[in-house]
This record gives sequence, C-alpha cells and structure tokens, in this order.
Amino acid sequence: SQQGEEDPQALSIQEGENATMNCSYKTSINNLQWYRQNSGRGLVHLILIRSNEREKHSGRLRVTLDTSKKSSSLLITASRAADTASYFCATDAKGTGGFKTIFGAGTRLFVKA
Amino acid sequence: NAGVTQTPKFQVLKTGQSMTLQCAQDMNHNSMYWYRQDPGMGLRLIYYSASEGTTDKGEVPNGYNVSRLNKREFSLRLESAAPSQTSVYFCASRDTSGRFGELFFGEGSRLTVL
Repeated sequence: SQQGEEDPQALSIQEGENATMNCSYKTSINNLQWYRQNSGRGLVHLILIRSNEREKHSGRLRVTLDTSKKSSSLLITASRAADTASYFCATDAKGTGGFKTIFGAGTRLFVKA
Repeated sequence: NAGVTQTPKFQVLKTGQSMTLQCAQDMNHNSMYWYRQDPGMGLRLIYYSASEGTTDKGEVPNGYNVSRLNKREFSLRLESAAPSQTSVYFCASRDTSGRFGELFFGEGSRLTVL
C-alpha cells in the first residue's frame, strides 16, 4: 500500500482560482515533498517541508503539514493554464536499507483558460 | 548540467527477452531509486540504493534486479520481460547524507513488452 494518498484524484478549475490538494500518509516522516509532472515528462520538485515545520511558501505555492493528523496540503494561488499537470506528494519511509521515498497516486489538475 | 541520465529512452521487447536500463547521475548523490509509472497512476518504487554497495526492495520488486555499480550508476535489469512490465521507468537520485534533499529525476524510459 502506498505511504501517501492524495485527494482529490482530479480537480478542474478556472484560471485565477485557487487549487487545493491534500495528502495523507501513514507512518512518521522526516519530511514531505510535493512534485509536479507534466504529461509524459519526468517529475519536478516543487517544495519540501520538514517534520518540524508547519507551513512553507514558495511563490504561488503554500504547503502546510500537520503531523498529528499525518496530512499535508498544497495550495496553488491564482492558478494559470500552465499549472495544468499532475501533482504528487512523497514521503520517506524507513526501510531495511535506509530511507525509501514513496509517492502517492497524485492529483490531476486542469486549469481552464 | 546533465543531472540524471537514463538510457534507453524507448524500448520494445518481446515476452521473455531481457534488458538493462541504465541510469547515471553526476551530482555526487548517495541515494538512487528506480520507479515505474503506469498510465494514469503514481510512481511505485521498485528498488532503491541508499548508498554505494547497498540495495533494497521497494514496493514492487518482483521481476527486477538492480546493481549499484558505483556511486554514479544504478542499473535496473529485467531478466525475462512480461507484458505486465510495460511501463515508464524513472530513475532518481538524492542527497541523503545530511538533511534530506529533493529527488532529481531522469526523463524516463518507455518500455513496451509485447
């Protein structure tokens, strides 16, 4: 089973609106990361939030982390058509060989111009 | 800046054939990973290597083997390919020697098994 689960699975909004995606995870973490993937391409790192941080900003991105609820949210403000992509959260789980990074199933965001 | 390089980018195999996907990173990262992504799905971890000389299973290791040849290179081998292994494969690397950093991904290798 996957460590991280995002919701919603898909989100369609108008340009200029805000988009919020949520991620829940199962075990304790060192940090949580958000990635973006344009169709058919590799993943690009957006933001990393450490377990002792509660909120982090990067441009139009705002990430929150609630370790008591084992959840995180990614907010994209004033969305643009170019934000259309899939967004994934990822967490580190302790394995026998070190930490392994596990991804959720992702949220597909479609921003209509 | 090369970053993470995967080869080949595309490959078509017949059932039962074998092949190796190559991955190399030039960022001196200690950890490397292989993921597969099926259409409309997230990434699933196949194998990872937390440091040179170590490898460990991820979520979906069956049917695959890996080799961490040195700090730069991490290869993924399919010994007897099956249609269920049709997927896009991504290699990634990361610095986990201190405070964990972000993952850097290659562009992917698209594998079709007939």
